[in-house]
Amino acid sequence: GQQLNQSPQSMFIQEGEDVSMNCTSSSIFNTWLWYKQDPGEGPVLLIALYKAGELTSNGRLTAQFGITRKDSFLNISASIPSDVGIYFCAGAYNFNKFYFGSGTKLNVKP
Amino acid sequence: DAGVIQSPRHEVTEMGQEVTLRCKPISGHDYLFWYRQTMMRGLELLIYFNNNVPIDDSGMPEDRFSAKMPNASFSTLKIQPSEPRDSAVYFCASSLAGRADTQYFGPGTRLTVL
Repeated sequence: GQQLNQSPQSMFIQEGEDVSMNCTSSSIFNTWLWYKQDPGEGPVLLIALYKAGELTSNGRLTAQFGITRKDSFLNISASIPSDVGIYFCAGAYNFNKFYFGSGTKLNVKP
Repeated sequence: DAGVIQSPRHEVTEMGQEVTLRCKPISGHDYLFWYRQTMMRGLELLIYFNNNVPIDDSGMPEDRFSAKMPNASFSTLKIQPSEPRDSAVYFCASSLAGRADTQYFGPGTRLTVL
C-alpha cells in the first residue's frame, strides 16, 4: 500500500514557539490535507491543498503543497496550549481515497 | 448542522459476536467513508461510497467485514464474527463530490472485542 512518512512522531515545545512538521510520500499526490485530532474525537480538517507549490494559511497555521507533489509541510506559529493534539497529514491521487500519515503528537508547555 | 453522527460511541463485545456500527452522514454529502484507527496501523480507509454505491472496498480487511448504505442518510459497518484484533476506533466521514475540504469525520466508535 501507499507509504506516508510523517515526522516528527512527537514534539515537546514551549508556549509561544513555532512548530514545523512534514509528510513525504513514495508517490505523487494531487491533494494534501492536514487534520488535528483531540483525544476521544474524530480528526478535524485544518487545511486543504490542491496545487503543487500552493501555500495556504488558516490563522496561525500555514501549510504548503511541495513542488515535487510528494511532500507537504505544516507550520504553527506562536503555539498555545490548545494546540496540543495529534496532527495528521493525508494525501490522495483523486479527491476521495486518502492515505494518512502516522501523526505528530504535539505537546505545548505553558 | 449536526455533523456526522455515529452510534454507538463505545461497544464492548465478546469474540465471535456480530457487531454493527452505524453512521449518519451530513445531509447533502454524497460521499461516505469508513476508516479504522489503531495504534499499530494508524488511520486506514476501509471502504467508501458515492451516492450510496460502494466505490472502493479494497481496504476491507477480510470477508468478516461488510458495509452497506441503503439510503443517503444511513450506513452500517458490520463485523461477523468479531475477533480481538478488530478492536479499534472506527470512524465514519462524509464529503461533497470532489471537495476534499468538505470531508468531516464523526466522533468514532470505540470497539473492544474480548
